[in-house]
Amino acid sequence: SAVISQKPSRDICQRGTSLTIQCQVDSQVTMMFWYRQQPGQSLTLIATANQGSEATYESGFVIDKFPISRPNLTFSTLTVSNMSPEDSSIYLCSVEDPARKLFFGSGTQLSVL
Amino acid sequence: QQPVQSPQAVILREGEDAVINCSSSKALYSVHWYRQKHGEAPVFLMILLKGGEQKGHEKISASFNEKKQQSSLYLTASQLSYSGTYFCGTEIRAGANNLFFGTGTRLTVIP
Repeated sequence: SAVISQKPSRDICQRGTSLTIQCQVDSQVTMMFWYRQQPGQSLTLIATANQGSEATYESGFVIDKFPISRPNLTFSTLTVSNMSPEDSSIYLCSVEDPARKLFFGSGTQLSVL
Repeated sequence: QQPVQSPQAVILREGEDAVINCSSSKALYSVHWYRQKHGEAPVFLMILLKGGEQKGHEKISASFNEKKQQSSLYLTASQLSYSGTYFCGTEIRAGANNLFFGTGTRLTVIP
């Protein structure tokens, strides 16, 4: 199993600012995934990040709003840019092991005022 | 494209059984099941890769009907620790590498 360290665990931000979320994995992984989960709702995939290539974004999510970096096989960041209250949510990073199980970080609870 | 789960919520007494259904409008390659406790990250339960496949994990098992584009999760003799929200995650083709999670089912087990 993979151990994922995600930070910050929570933050309160002002409208119009940006927040960068970091995700560190204890082993090398090919793909990392970023999900958003609004309170009481399901998980929605934002993008898939492969090391050495641009992230692949799902419908409704764009790189200018959610830029992602993947500098190596154990680390990724997601930035939530120009935030509005609608961005208030829990953001989770995830990795897949060879058996195709997903392991999740503990999440970042973001509140935008 | 989001799979629909039913029921949305269910309350059980310890020892009772429950079935959670996951239905997709698209043909499926695989179905994954996760459980999320309040304030925690989702935890993997099982993957079903073939149509008609049935898998078990202690007293939790699941089936996958590829033709009907449905999967069901069976919880037998429920325990307090089974409480949480259950999500199915569906994959529409091999190598898609992205899961679409269902609407979720909140399960509460009471003494």
